[in-house]
Order: sequence, then C-alpha cells, then structure tokens
Amino acid sequence: ETAVFQTPNYHVTQVGNEVSFNCKQTLGHDTMYWYKQDSKKLLKIMFSYNNKQLIVNETVPRRFSPQSSDKAHLNLRIKSVEPEDSAVYLCASSQGLGGQNTLYFGAGTRLSVL
Amino acid sequence: QQKVQQSPESLIVPEGAMTSLNCTFSDSASQYFAWYRQHSGKAPKALMSIFSNGEKEEGRFTIHLNKASLHFSLHIRDSQPSDSALYLCAVSAMGYKLTFGTGTSLLVDP
Repeated sequence: ETAVFQTPNYHVTQVGNEVSFNCKQTLGHDTMYWYKQDSKKLLKIMFSYNNKQLIVNETVPRRFSPQSSDKAHLNLRIKSVEPEDSAVYLCASSQGLGGQNTLYFGAGTRLSVL
Repeated sequence: QQKVQQSPESLIVPEGAMTSLNCTFSDSASQYFAWYRQHSGKAPKALMSIFSNGEKEEGRFTIHLNKASLHFSLHIRDSQPSDSALYLCAVSAMGYKLTFGTGTSLLVDP
C-alpha cells in the first residue's frame, strides 16, 4: 500500500538544466526526508524536515534545495544539474523526529543527466 | 562519522535454505539497528528493528545484535524466491540520522 508518492518516476535532462521533484505523504507523519541512492545502491541522507523546519542538512552541493509547503509535502530542486547527480532520489517520512523511527519510502525518482 | 558495512555484497542461496546477512558499524554509542528490504525498482521497506543486545524473531526473520562486537545480523529461515531483493542494514546513534549500509543483494534460486 503506497503512502509516499513521488513524481516524476524518472527524468532525463542535460547538464546545466534545473529539475524539481515532488513528494507527498498521506500517513500524517511530521518528518520527511530526501535520500540519494547511487549506482552502487548506497543510501545517503540529504535533508530532513520536521513540521516544515529543516532539521538535517548534510553536506550536499548548494545547487540542491529542499522546499516544504506543509508537513505532508517535501520537494527537491536542483539548479544546474551535474553528471554526478544521476541517481535515484528517495523521499521518506516518519512519525516523530529521530533516527530511531521507522522510515516509509516512496518508490523514488530516477534522474539521468546526459 | 558512523560507518556501516555489510557482507557479503551478494549472495545466491537455494530455495528453503537459511540465509545470513551481516552488518558492522563503527559508533559504539549506536542505539537502534534495523533492516530494510528493497525489491528491484521498488521502495525500501522496513523489515524489523532491535534496540537491545540479543535476538528478536518475527516469522521467518531473526535479528541478532552484539553491541560489543559492533555487529548485527539478519537470518532468513526457509528462504523463498520472493525474498530475492537488496537488503539494507541501518544504524542510529543519538540524533536524527539513520545511516544505511552498503547493501547485500540476495537471490533465492527456486
């Protein structure tokens, strides 16, 4: 049963373009995350938001910027994409703040940068 | 910074076999240990988690945690083809971050 929805499923773009990914959760959770899964399947946290406030901001390039309109939505914008941005971007949510809460993931947005 | 490593990188087992997956972590202050499973092209999904040393069993799945050895494992009894997936361990110390391991790709051969 899907409760974390991501759009688009995949996106192909060229170096230098701007892209935006959307995420919505219907679980009523107050914390949302963006993870990046690289070609070796390693999952790395990028950002987390709790009730629209930025909590975790890992050392990601400044061209990445998260945007949260309410606690059910968390979007990700990438200005001027680079080839190394090719990856699967996974959105997740949890009830409560803290690394000890179960994460519920979306199916991901696969980005290919040509 | 927490380092989480998994072994083996990939594994093929016959249907009905016992599967054992390993995870080591570097931060001795870690308090929460979890396993996630990701079928190809799908979302990672939480399998089970543990806080204290020892074992926890849920159906065919068992977690074993040894904090002193900085090691925990997942055992799958009577492995099924539907268990074929990427298995990700995850660890959290104090704070907001859950750090994932490098993953083990499991194929259960019918």
